[in-house]
Amino acid sequence: DQQVKQNSPSLSVQEGRISILNCDYTNSMFDYFLWYKKYPAEGPTFLISISSIKDKNEDGRFTVFLNKSAKHLSLHIVPSQPGDSAVYFCAASGLQGAQKLVFGQGTRLTINP
Amino acid sequence: DGGITQSPKYLFRKEGQNVTLSCEQNLNHDAMYWYRQDPGQGLRLIYYSQIVNDFQKGDIAEGYSVSREKKESFPLTVTSAQKNPTAFYLCASSDTWEDEKLFFGSGTQLSVL
Repeated sequence: DQQVKQNSPSLSVQEGRISILNCDYTNSMFDYFLWYKKYPAEGPTFLISISSIKDKNEDGRFTVFLNKSAKHLSLHIVPSQPGDSAVYFCAASGLQGAQKLVFGQGTRLTINP
Repeated sequence: DGGITQSPKYLFRKEGQNVTLSCEQNLNHDAMYWYRQDPGQGLRLIYYSQIVNDFQKGDIAEGYSVSREKKESFPLTVTSAQKNPTAFYLCASSDTWEDEKLFFGSGTQLSVL
């Protein structure tokens, strides 16, 4: 039973346009969400997070939106750049501590020039 | 330059053999984790350690063992009891066990000969 799902294995976007990566979860106890970015042959790196008391968090070109009623979060990248091409993982936690993190399968984002 | 070092990058295991994956961090983090990634799946937690000389089983601990004798080191042994060891293994750390922002190593790809 996959509690965190990224239903799009891949996404292709034109450079300069908006990239939208989606993540759905089933456990209503999740209250903290994170996005990680992974380049080939490297480990994931933390990108941005959001707590359930907010519905939006922004950091430069990256914005995460949380819709608790729909159990859905999305990562927006504006404008998309070639260096954004990577695999993006969403993760969710319902209790404090990284040992409680549940990861999605990842979405491979490709930015085309 | 602080970070997490995993070695080797590639490892091959023969039938019935135990192999050990190395993970060293110089971030002075209390907590360390081992994850396994299979194609098309999210990261799954194998073992975690909240503090030196202590470790706990994660979601898929069977066939694996760990030790945490030093704060900076958290080696993972894949034993012969692990029947499907081929996967990408990621080591991570966080400042404290309560912190969900993980720092990852670059991973070890383990394959069975």
